[in-house]
Amino acid sequence: KQEVTQIPAALSVPEGENLVLNCSFTDSAIYNLQWFRQDPGKGLTSLLLIQSSQREQTSGRLNASLDKSSGRSTLYIAASQPGDSATYLCAVSGGSSGYSTLTFGKGTMLLVSP
Amino acid sequence: DTEVTQTPKHLVMGMTNKKSLKCEQHMGHRAMYWYKQKAKKPPELMFVYSYEKLSINESVPSRFSPECPNSSLLNLHLHALQPEDSALYLCASSYQGRSGANVLTFGAGSRLTVL
Repeated sequence: KQEVTQIPAALSVPEGENLVLNCSFTDSAIYNLQWFRQDPGKGLTSLLLIQSSQREQTSGRLNASLDKSSGRSTLYIAASQPGDSATYLCAVSGGSSGYSTLTFGKGTMLLVSP
Repeated sequence: DTEVTQTPKHLVMGMTNKKSLKCEQHMGHRAMYWYKQKAKKPPELMFVYSYEKLSINESVPSRFSPECPNSSLLNLHLHALQPEDSALYLCASSYQGRSGANVLTFGAGSRLTVL
């Protein structure tokens, strides 16, 4: 059974710092890996999706890497801002061609202080 | 329209009530999902519909009954729930991109409280 672990569980940084969130998974047979953001009591916002054949994806200040063979992904956030404060969830995708079954990590709760 | 819309946003019900959660998308996605998220926990998959057929039921108790009347609509019927069923219920839909990956879009969730 796929297990996804995220480290650290919580992170508090001052504004402007660059930071790295880590995700590891036990079964390397994945279709893709997604990073989501969740604000308290809200739904999930997809940040980045990395295909199993890709090594990284970038969107603005966010960069996600994937090392499928070692079962690891990192989310790099550059020049953090208070608005980045949220929980960040990593999810790996299994399933068939018609749908995707996501297995989530427990998340990293990020607080960026002004 | 690039959204998954869930109603109601909040629902409070007693253990003997019958209620329903509704999810709608008009993006032409052919797979739809229900996830359950308890406080400070990750979302857990409950059901997957693919082309309006139930493809996955993750051993969910029968007091939760999913329904997919058409490709745009997904319901979750609730009956005789327990207080421990209180959670955020998330709906998602997905399409298969050119790369072959299924990209999920989540709704804002329905916050359920069972008294």
